[in-house]
Amino acid sequence: QKEVEQDPGPLSVPEGAIVSLNCTYSNSAFQYFMWYRQYSRKGPELLMYTYSSGNKEDGRFTAQVDKSSKYISLFIRDSQPSDSATYLCAMSAQRDSNYQLIWGAGTKLIIKP
Amino acid sequence: SQTIHQWPATLVQPVGSPLSLECTVEGTSNPNLYWYRQAAGRGLQLLFYSVGIGQISSEVPQNLSASRPQDRQFILSSKKLLLSDSGFYLCAWNRQGISYNSPLHFGNGTRLTVT
Repeated sequence: QKEVEQDPGPLSVPEGAIVSLNCTYSNSAFQYFMWYRQYSRKGPELLMYTYSSGNKEDGRFTAQVDKSSKYISLFIRDSQPSDSATYLCAMSAQRDSNYQLIWGAGTKLIIKP
Repeated sequence: SQTIHQWPATLVQPVGSPLSLECTVEGTSNPNLYWYRQAAGRGLQLLFYSVGIGQISSEVPQNLSASRPQDRQFILSSKKLLLSDSGFYLCAWNRQGISYNSPLHFGNGTRLTVT
């Protein structure tokens, strides 16, 4: 079983729809949770970063963490064609004296005009 | 502001040839530096990371090596490429001291095809 599971998609939705992207994880030691957006042929860029359970909002984006269920989500409101990209979740935990970042496989999102 | 440069953007190399990918960071000092490989439909795989000049940690034993000759320069190399080395290689940096929650900043990657 992978430590972080993420549906690769593609997920195709019409413009203006609310998008929900999700990751599940198995390691209860994960403490920091991140969402990155990656456009085709580009490097990932950080979208959202959360530490505790609950919601964090930034414009049209909301990140949600449920540590009891080991489940994180990214919601996109009023989706735009420019939101079409691959969304990667990542989470970190301490391993020995270092912190290790574990990545989901990424979900490809397509917003249809 | 900080910027990260990675080149070349694409590269086609024959099996058995050498490889050198370069990454430089501007606008910050003493960053942590990383090399990742991304395969289609899979998460990012950490290959090497460095916390300082000459300090390289390898996460996955393989046909590749890394070097950090200067504070803001990170190089990924191979003496003889294998077909399995094909992939999308990403360089990244973050701030020292708080690496566990310091966001990673990525370059735009190199698409390597070994033929």
